[in-house]
Amino acid sequence: NAGVMQNPRHLVRRRGQEARLRCSPMKGHSHVYWYRQLPEEGLKFMVYLQKENIIDESGMPKERFSAEFPKEGPSILRIQQVVRGDSAAYFCASSPSLQETQYFGPGTRLLVL
Amino acid sequence: QQQVKQSPQSLIVQKGGIPIINCAYENTAFDYFPWYQQFPGKGPALLIAIRPDVSEKKEGRFTISFNKSAKQFSLHIMDSQPGDSATYFCGGGATNKLIFGTGTLLAVQP
Repeated sequence: NAGVMQNPRHLVRRRGQEARLRCSPMKGHSHVYWYRQLPEEGLKFMVYLQKENIIDESGMPKERFSAEFPKEGPSILRIQQVVRGDSAAYFCASSPSLQETQYFGPGTRLLVL
Repeated sequence: QQQVKQSPQSLIVQKGGIPIINCAYENTAFDYFPWYQQFPGKGPALLIAIRPDVSEKKEGRFTISFNKSAKQFSLHIMDSQPGDSATYFCGGGATNKLIFGTGTLLAVQP
């Protein structure tokens, strides 16, 4: 059983461009979570999704950030008009149900020039 | 109410020592407290987790001690090895939304 997959692993964008981060949960997992990790900081919760639904987006910045988890395909975290402050590692986690352990992917390291 | 405070920020022990990492939480609604281990360039991996109805949980060389009244919990690593050198994060919350501490960088010297 493959773990949580994230791609790309590294992404470089210039200010003002769009960044799309993809997360494929573990097989059988229908719950996806996105976290952001800034250098020298811990993991910050961003959003929790189930298939086709955003359940909790209380950690998402109000502008430029959006997330989706369509019926088919991976979950996408989208950052529009990136700024240097968006440079961070973005981790996706998945779980089979609400009460189960979250398993993390390897992360996408975003660098905004 | 949503913070999880973790200490120390970094820790150096000799091989065989017992590093202890402490966390404190504020929100009494939290019912799940995991510890994750993260190696450089990798995603966090679950080490061990506890719920507030028990005061201690042990898995291999890793032990969580939980003090519900003080709203504190800690990770103990028995017989630490150089391969345990990593960053450790405590978390608190419900399984659908975890609040993490800022991490402890552990170095185990040979």
